[in-house]
Amino acid sequence: DTAVSQTPKYLVTQMGNDKSIKCEQNLGHDTMYWYKQDSKKFLKIMFSYNNKELIINETVPNRFSPKSPDKAHLNLHINSLELGDSAVYFCASSHEGLGDYGYTFGSGTRLTVV
Amino acid sequence: GDSVTQMEGPVTLSEEAFLTINCTYTATGYPSLFWYVQYPGEGLQLLLKATKADDKGSNKGFEATYRKETTSFHLEKGSVQVSDSAVYFCALRDASGNQFYFGTGTSLTVIP
Repeated sequence: DTAVSQTPKYLVTQMGNDKSIKCEQNLGHDTMYWYKQDSKKFLKIMFSYNNKELIINETVPNRFSPKSPDKAHLNLHINSLELGDSAVYFCASSHEGLGDYGYTFGSGTRLTVV
Repeated sequence: GDSVTQMEGPVTLSEEAFLTINCTYTATGYPSLFWYVQYPGEGLQLLLKATKADDKGSNKGFEATYRKETTSFHLEKGSVQVSDSAVYFCALRDASGNQFYFGTGTSLTVIP
């Protein structure tokens, strides 16, 4: 009955590889997000999807691409991984336009590029 | 644009001490305000929220009051426990509900 689930929880990979992180929400939310959290705990919005439309892209390198097969899923694909991509990636979801609601977060994927 | 500023950490307190983590915001209109908590190795969890001026959000002994006159939403707890050790994020959802802004996080360590 997990609200926002993302897999894998840990991902260790070599530079230059391509990897994906999956995210699913069962809350009926209409918008999903990807955040990157660096070693200092700073959260940076990467993408959001609303009804399969990308509505935010905050100067993220084009090696990162979100894929949303339906409004319950938002996967993150990363090509040609670099050392600087090492971080914790969080998926989140919410109701767009409803200010009373916060975001619901997944438990995170710790990506380590070696 | 809208933004959130919270006090820098880390904060270290003894068990049963009083906690205040300051948060101020800049926004147009009437945003909603939130505090999230991130326990070690976990994702962010909503701790409390307030959606209009003078509202007080509370949960697990934590409280925060939406003060429009001082544009603040400070987090307080009267007596912290070791289990409260975590990173706390202040956040704002703008008046349109379409943008969410996080503070930089404040790390709290409570020692026995």
